[in-house]
Amino acid sequence: NAGVTQTPKFRVLKTGQSMTLLCAQDMNHEYMYWYRQDPGMGLRLIHYSVGEGTTAKGEVPDGYNVSRLKKQNFLLGLESAAPSQTSVYFCASSPWTSGDQETQYFGPGTRLLVL
Amino acid sequence: AQSVTQPDIHITVSEGASLELRCNYSYGATPYLFWYVQSPGQGLQLLLKYFSGDTLVQGIKGFEAEFKRSQSSFNLRKPSVHWSDAAEYFCVLSGGYNKLIFGAGTRLAVHP
Repeated sequence: NAGVTQTPKFRVLKTGQSMTLLCAQDMNHEYMYWYRQDPGMGLRLIHYSVGEGTTAKGEVPDGYNVSRLKKQNFLLGLESAAPSQTSVYFCASSPWTSGDQETQYFGPGTRLLVL
Repeated sequence: AQSVTQPDIHITVSEGASLELRCNYSYGATPYLFWYVQSPGQGLQLLLKYFSGDTLVQGIKGFEAEFKRSQSSFNLRKPSVHWSDAAEYFCVLSGGYNKLIFGAGTRLAVHP
């Protein structure tokens, strides 16, 4: 049971390049999330998904797209990277069961540098 | 508006001393509250959570937190800090639909 995994761990992009971050969970969780972490700001929600084939915007969705084609995977895409997207990205998942619905389990993070 | 405030950006304590990290929240209903810890270069680990019931909740690693509705607070405490507790601590509010609202974090340093 690996929990939540993220690929890659670190990436350097040039402004304007595109990339996709992959998140995978093996806990059969319904809900999945993408956050970004910036110094002094905690984590902020980018997009989330409440089930396979569904996605929704979070607090800071601009410049990002997501897809949830399979229940266990949640992809975060940057179509045209900007230096403002330099950050650490965390994926999380949570079950949809009474009493534990709101506990999220986090991946190890992806560090992205946009030059 | 839903928000979480952690007034202390940095805290330094001596090993063996007691610890209290402050957290205040703003939410219109009964909140779901969490404390997460992040060690350097690591992901986030859940320390404890409050959903309802007993206002004093116990967590892992000897941590506890007390929910005080009248003060809109959820402070984290530990009676005796260990050097391995040095990390960043986040107070988190669930804003519905499982969307988490994070405080800015408190970075804890432990002196030997």
